[in-house]
Amino acid sequence: GENVEQHPSTLSVQEGDSAVIKCTYSDSASNYFPWYKQELGKRPQLIIDIRSNVGEKKDQRIAVTLNKTAKHFSLHITETQPEDSAVYFCAASRQYNNNDMRFGAGTRLTVKP
Amino acid sequence: DTEVTQTPKHLVMGMTNKKSLKCEQHMGHRAMYWYKQKAKKPPELMFVYSYEKLSINESVPSRFSPECPNSSLLNLHLHALQPEDSALYLCASSQTTGTYEQYFGPGTRLTVT
Repeated sequence: GENVEQHPSTLSVQEGDSAVIKCTYSDSASNYFPWYKQELGKRPQLIIDIRSNVGEKKDQRIAVTLNKTAKHFSLHITETQPEDSAVYFCAASRQYNNNDMRFGAGTRLTVKP
Repeated sequence: DTEVTQTPKHLVMGMTNKKSLKCEQHMGHRAMYWYKQKAKKPPELMFVYSYEKLSINESVPSRFSPECPNSSLLNLHLHALQPEDSALYLCASSQTTGTYEQYFGPGTRLTVT
């Protein structure tokens, strides 16, 4: 089955700096890669996603890149703000077959004001 | 309505109790999911329902029994649980298992005493 590894487990940055979180996956059939943000005591919320036919996607301060050959994808947050502080999970799934999503272990991002 | 709701928000039960968790969505989604999330860990997939039929059971112990009575409702029946089953139980839905985005409910925080 799919195995998703995520690094780093914790990340602390100064407000205004950029943050990068990296994930690798094992199943070459995976074709959908979402990123979820989970604040303490809240539900995971989808912040951005990328599909295997695209190499990069950007939404304001957030961008995701995908390297299918190397089987890794990354989340980039620019101009970080204190409200970006949360746990971020990457995930991978095979869209055409049951959408069984596997999550990375998570990255606790702290943005210091 | 673009929300997944879950009840109860919190549940404390003894090891001999029988209880049920409830999940509801009115987005017309035909795929629904149960996840288990332990503290500081990622969500782990338990069950996937597609068009009210169970399509994935991730080798979950039989003390967890899912039920999908209609396309809007998903239940998780609990019986003879162990203290290690204490966790946040998240429900999610997507248009179908062949579509990508999963929307999460707020979760039920379960404590087994």
